[in-house]
Amino acid sequence: GENVEQHPSTLSVQEGDSAVIKCTYSDSASNYFPWYKQELGKRPQLIIDIRSNVGEKKDQRIAVTLNKTAKHFSLHITETQPEDSAVYFCAASRTGTASKLTFGTGTRLQVTL
Amino acid sequence: DAGVIQSPRHEVTEMGQEVTLRCKPISGHDYLFWYRQTMMRGLELLIYFNNNVPIDDSGMPEDRFSAKMPNASFSTLKIQPSEPRDSAVYFCASSRTANSGANVLTFGAGSRLTVL
Repeated sequence: GENVEQHPSTLSVQEGDSAVIKCTYSDSASNYFPWYKQELGKRPQLIIDIRSNVGEKKDQRIAVTLNKTAKHFSLHITETQPEDSAVYFCAASRTGTASKLTFGTGTRLQVTL
Repeated sequence: DAGVIQSPRHEVTEMGQEVTLRCKPISGHDYLFWYRQTMMRGLELLIYFNNNVPIDDSGMPEDRFSAKMPNASFSTLKIQPSEPRDSAVYFCASSRTANSGANVLTFGAGSRLTVL
């Protein structure tokens, strides 16, 4: 089955700096890679996703890059703000009727003033 | 839409007791997932259903855990008997297969279980 590794487990940045979270996956057939944000005591929520037919996707201050050859993908947050503080999970799956997401172990991002 | 609805939000029980967690998925979603979240293991997929049929229960830790989905609008996760190591937040999530084939999950608020 799929195995997703995520680094770092914790990340502290100053407000305004950039944050990068990296994930690797094992199943070369995986082609869907979402990122979820979980604020303290809340549910995980999808913030951005990327499919294997593109190498990069941006949405305002967040972007995700994908390297299928190396089987890794990354989340980039620019101009970080205190409200970006949360746990971020990457995930991977094959698309199709029997798909299921495998999540990474999460990165706790702390944005300090 | 009210989103994915889970109950109870919090449950405190004693070891050996039966625990039943409930989930109402978003109307029209054909997939339902049960996840368990702990500090040590992160988000673990326990079981998922497609059109009310269990597809993969390989994540269910042991026979003490069981899940059912009697209809498209209701699912239960049962633990009998419960043990302290079952303490965790249990999330239900649902999704509808997009044309692209990707499952975009919508999570419920979670049920925090504490087994004393």
